[in-house]
Amino acid sequence: SQTIHQWPATLVQPVGSPLSLECTVEGTSNPNLYWYRQAAGRGLQLLFYSVGIGQISSEVPQNLSASRPQDRQFILSSKKLLLSDSGFYLCAWSVHPGLDEKLFFGSGTQLSVL
Amino acid sequence: GESVGLHLPTLSVQEGDNSIINCAYSNSASDYFIWYKQESGKGPQFIIDIRSNMDKRQGQRVTVLLNKTVKHLSLQIAATQPGDSAVYFCAVSSGSARQLTFGSGTQLTVLP
Repeated sequence: SQTIHQWPATLVQPVGSPLSLECTVEGTSNPNLYWYRQAAGRGLQLLFYSVGIGQISSEVPQNLSASRPQDRQFILSSKKLLLSDSGFYLCAWSVHPGLDEKLFFGSGTQLSVL
Repeated sequence: GESVGLHLPTLSVQEGDNSIINCAYSNSASDYFIWYKQESGKGPQFIIDIRSNMDKRQGQRVTVLLNKTVKHLSLQIAATQPGDSAVYFCAVSSGSARQLTFGSGTQLTVLP
């Protein structure tokens, strides 16, 4: 069966520090991968999605970037965190080539930028 | 673009009663609908989905109803249990997964 791992679960970082969140998927090949941010009491906002290694699409301009160095690995990064980057970050995957729109989510990372 | 709204941000029900959570969407071309459950500090968990060629779909203790005429869907939970306490939100798509639009969620609280 497929599983998705996301870490760390919580992270407290000072403003201006770098960020690296990692996500890996097991049990499937060539998945579509996604990074979402969830603000408190609000819906999910798509940040990045990837349909293959090295292929990244950004949905909103921001201080963050994403990379996909391997088929089942997706990384969310920042060179210098801002206070506004605080939030709950979720990695997700769906079947490629996308006939099934169902998303499966990781357990999330609560990021606090102080 | 699509917009998705939930009718109530919070819902409290007695244990054992049935729960109904509602969602409205704006795009008549939307053809795929999902309900997720999210417990505090965790990622959303898939509950049930339905395509636009159906009006009703049932799972274990859950039923999703779709009314395309008024662009409304609902999630019904039978015999609500304490473990059902969570935020529930719908997601609507008119194409691929990256086009999913999420509602803001309804916090369901089950009272003893």
